[in-house]
Amino acid sequence: SQQGEEDPQALSIQEGENATMNCSYKTSINNLQWYRQNSGRGLVHLILIRSNEREKHSGRLRVTLDTSKKSSSLLITASRAADTASYFCATVFIQGAQKLVFGQGTRLTINP
Amino acid sequence: DGGITQSPKYLFRKEGQNVTLSCEQNLNHDAMYWYRQDPGQGLRLIYYSQIVNDFQKGDIAEGYSVSREKKESFPLTVTSAQKNPTAFYLCASSPRTGWDSNQPQHFGDGTRLSIL
Repeated sequence: SQQGEEDPQALSIQEGENATMNCSYKTSINNLQWYRQNSGRGLVHLILIRSNEREKHSGRLRVTLDTSKKSSSLLITASRAADTASYFCATVFIQGAQKLVFGQGTRLTINP
Repeated sequence: DGGITQSPKYLFRKEGQNVTLSCEQNLNHDAMYWYRQDPGQGLRLIYYSQIVNDFQKGDIAEGYSVSREKKESFPLTVTSAQKNPTAFYLCASSPRTGWDSNQPQHFGDGTRLSIL
């Protein structure tokens, strides 16, 4: 399967702490994207990192990409209750049309 | 505001019945996608379309059909051949496609389909 895999499947932390989620994939990619999904809603794009980039920041989000290990991590700093959601990584593979392949997600709960 | 509208939010299907899920976008995007999400799972691609009057099967197309007669619209029909249709269905769009594209996808808020 080309599907990415997130780790951990669930994460529960206190408000103000940092949250780190990891994503691994199996074949060469064009880019890797992170999305957030609030319960019962659609996905919202957070950040895209190209295969030739190693790190990218957006506000409280920091994404790293290690193509040699076929892995990526998403760090959310100074977490807030509103960050409670599921987070998915999605990869775009080099062969074929732009098809996103999603992992199963990490369910993040921020406790007040 | 530009975005993607999916309707209805909830849909119930009787056995042997075909149902159609609506997806409309006003983002002027060329590509549109349909995904299925089962509880606690990621998204799986059903069909996608890169241009009007053209579409391709995704990973789980059996029991589904689509049309793309207008750029703004990409309806999904869940046919009676789909024996396990209960799921959350998400529609998405992106500005352009191609293997070297680096465009994120924009999602609607989904339709939850259940069997009566």
